[in-house]
Amino acid sequence: GDSVTQMEGPVTLSEEAFLTINCTYTATGYPSLFWYVQYPGEGLQLLLKATKADDKGSNKGFEATYRKETTSFHLEKGSVQVSDSAVYFCALSGGYNKLIFGAGTRLAVHP
Amino acid sequence: EAQVTQNPRYLITVTGKKLTVTCSQNMNHEYMSWYRQDPGLGLRQIYYSMNVEVTDKGDVPEGYKVSRKEKRNFPLILESPSPNQTSLYFCASSLHGGQKNTEAFFGQGTRLTVV
Repeated sequence: GDSVTQMEGPVTLSEEAFLTINCTYTATGYPSLFWYVQYPGEGLQLLLKATKADDKGSNKGFEATYRKETTSFHLEKGSVQVSDSAVYFCALSGGYNKLIFGAGTRLAVHP
Repeated sequence: EAQVTQNPRYLITVTGKKLTVTCSQNMNHEYMSWYRQDPGLGLRQIYYSMNVEVTDKGDVPEGYKVSRKEKRNFPLILESPSPNQTSLYFCASSLHGGQKNTEAFFGQGTRLTVV
């Protein structure tokens, strides 16, 4: 069945460092891909999405490119801030809007 | 404000005592679903509903029930809770269920502990 694999955390960075969180997927057909973010004590919020191969999703300085050839959707940000500390979930949607999530990666950014 | 509201936020209960977690959305969304979040496992879908009176099992439905009598409400029912249902629960809604790229909106979560 469909699945999503994320790099294990936690990821600890200093402010202004470059961030990469790896995400790969297995799916039949042509899923849409998402990154959701969960701040402490809150629900998940959509960060960005891409609906077809080579699409680039971007929001709040974060970017991810839908790579069909490598079945990947890595999350990147050029300069992280303390306020980016959260748990990040990669997810895919293959139909009927069912979301399949990765295990989540906790990011901690220190001043 | 567009939102998904879950209640309660925190609940501690004893094994076997029936409980209901409520979920309500004010966006007129057709599709609603319940997930549980466990460490190292991400979020797994429990049940979903494509519209009023239409519900179906997700990946981990055992021990749970749902109903969808009105479009805005989608309660999660645990008839006889057990300790392995201790988890963080999220309700989510989205505009349509048949399209794969519509954004899902999540509630703030219900942390349930069954002792």
